[in-house]
Amino acid sequence: AQKVTQAQTEISVVEKEDVTLDCVYETRDTTYYLFWYKQPPSGELVFLIRRNSFDEQNEISGRYSWNFQKSTSSFNFTITASQVVDSAVYFCALSGLTGGGNKLTFGTGTQLKVEL
Amino acid sequence: DVKVTQSSRYLVKRTGEKVFLECVQDMDHENMFWYRQDPGLGLRLIYFSYDVKMKEKGDIPEGYSVSREKKERFSLILESASTNQTSMYLCASSSIANPSYEQYFGPGTRLTVT
Repeated sequence: AQKVTQAQTEISVVEKEDVTLDCVYETRDTTYYLFWYKQPPSGELVFLIRRNSFDEQNEISGRYSWNFQKSTSSFNFTITASQVVDSAVYFCALSGLTGGGNKLTFGTGTQLKVEL
Repeated sequence: DVKVTQSSRYLVKRTGEKVFLECVQDMDHENMFWYRQDPGLGLRLIYFSYDVKMKEKGDIPEGYSVSREKKERFSLILESASTNQTSMYLCASSSIANPSYEQYFGPGTRLTVT
């Protein structure tokens, strides 16, 4: 069975601080994909990034960066110099051939609050 | 831009009522999904569909059914609403049944059953 664990339920930071959101996953698939989604207060989940299991290169997109480590089954997400607009719930998700098609298994989410 | 729309943002229904939640996508996607989101539980898959008239159960299908008569529309049906079905319901779509493809989500319907 596939499983995604986001141990941090809620994180509060002050604007301009760096923050890392943790994601640990379990799967028996050798080929799988990891995703991060952002859910702002409006409710709609927004896709942020996808990583496949064969690509362990870290990725940076502006203030966002992702650290994928197969050895620890982790796919952590860092926001540098956080801003109030980053306040949202962030979900890590996993898909693989075991689940069939592109069914996603989600973590329970991390609520990030960025305050002035 | 992919657009996934849901018929209502907020809905209040009474116990025992039959409830229809509608979802429409405008990008000709084959796959459509219904999730419910509850605090501390994340998103859980209720049903999904890979094609018109096809449906498969997700992780928590009990108390729900679905209908997909047209490619762009996927309906979630609560045959007899109960208070434990009070939740946020999210619809999503994706282009093909490939695990590498991201899903696109609608804005959600917050359903309250009293």
